[in-house]
Amino acid sequence: SQTIHQWPATLVQPVGSPLSLECTVEGTSNPNLYWYRQAAGRGLQLLFYSVGIGQISSEVPQNLSASRPQDRQFILSSKKLLLSDSGFYLCAWSYGAAYEQYFGPGTRLTVT
Amino acid sequence: DQQVKQNSPSLSVQEGRISILNCDYTNSMFDYFLWYKKYPAEGPTFLISISSIKDKNEDGRFTVFLNKSAKHLSLHIVPSQPGDSAVYFCAASGGSGYALNFGKGTSLLVTP
Repeated sequence: SQTIHQWPATLVQPVGSPLSLECTVEGTSNPNLYWYRQAAGRGLQLLFYSVGIGQISSEVPQNLSASRPQDRQFILSSKKLLLSDSGFYLCAWSYGAAYEQYFGPGTRLTVT
Repeated sequence: DQQVKQNSPSLSVQEGRISILNCDYTNSMFDYFLWYKKYPAEGPTFLISISSIKDKNEDGRFTVFLNKSAKHLSLHIVPSQPGDSAVYFCAASGGSGYALNFGKGTSLLVTP
């Protein structure tokens, strides 16, 4: 069966510090991968998606970037965090362009 | 611009009764709709979906109804159980891109 991992589970970082969140998927090959953010009082917003190694599409211009160095690894990064980057970050995967996306446990990021 | 709207932030239902969660959308290009269930500090879990070529889809206690002319869908849970208490997100997809467009969620509380 397929499993998706995210770490860390929680993170508190000062403004201006760098960020690296990692997501890995097990049990499937060549998945589509996604990063979402849920800010307080809002729905889930798609940040990035990837259909293959090195292929990243950005949905929302912002302070963040994403990379996919391996087939089942997706990384969310920032060089300098802003207060507005606080939120709940979720990684998801799907079978190719299938509509159903399956989410990881999430990372709660607080920027202070 | 919120293209998927869940206008009821919360709903309380007695155990054994029917829970009805509603969702409206504005984009006529959406052709696939999904419901996710989310517990606190966890990622959303896929629950049930429906294609725009159907008007009903059932899976056990969960039924999703789609009214395309009204751009409205609903999730029925019968009978409701205390373990169903969670936040339910409606999502829609279609047109270009891989994004799932999420509503802000409805918090369901099932009381014994």
